[in-house]
Amino acid sequence: GDSVTQMEGPVTLSEEAFLTINCTYTATGYPSLFWYVQYPGEGLQLLLKATKADDKGSNKGFEATYRKETTSFHLEKGSVQVSDSAVYFCALSDRVKTSYDKVIFGPGTSLSVIP
Amino acid sequence: GAGVSQSPSNKVTEKGKDVELRCDPISGHTALYWYRQSLGQGLEFLIYFQGNSAPDKSGLPSDRFSAERTGGSVSTLTIQRTQQEDSAVYLCASSLGLAGGNNEQFFGPGTRLTVL
Repeated sequence: GDSVTQMEGPVTLSEEAFLTINCTYTATGYPSLFWYVQYPGEGLQLLLKATKADDKGSNKGFEATYRKETTSFHLEKGSVQVSDSAVYFCALSDRVKTSYDKVIFGPGTSLSVIP
Repeated sequence: GAGVSQSPSNKVTEKGKDVELRCDPISGHTALYWYRQSLGQGLEFLIYFQGNSAPDKSGLPSDRFSAERTGGSVSTLTIQRTQQEDSAVYLCASSLGLAGGNNEQFFGPGTRLTVL
């Protein structure tokens, strides 16, 4: 079945460092891809998404590009801030296959940014 | 409020007791989802509602778990005869559920269940 794999955490970075969180997926169809973020004490929120190959999702300085050839959707940010400390989840949804928006999540990567 | 709300925020119960977890979706959202987030695990899909019916219950881990939705709005997840392995954060999400497009899911803050 469809699945999502992402890099193990926790990841600790200094403020203003470059961030990459790797994400790869396995899917038989053409899924939409997402990054969700969970800030401490808060619910999950959609960070960005891409619905087809070569699309780039971006939000709050974060970017991810849908790479079908490598089945990847790596999350990047050029200069992280302390406020970016959170758990990041890569996810996919294949509405064509399931006929509804069933989302399959990766295990999450915890990011801590220190001043 | 404008977002998805869940209650209680925390629930501690004894093994063998039944618990009910409540989700109030965003008004007008026809689709509702329950997920479970266990320590060290990812988010595990439990059940999907479209209106009051549940076309996909495939993620419910055992027959001790059930869920219902009434009036196309509030949903209740019930766990009977709780076990320690049921301890987790239970998340609810809702979306517009419109056909033909990807509908963003909006998540509630979750209910943290601890079974002693």
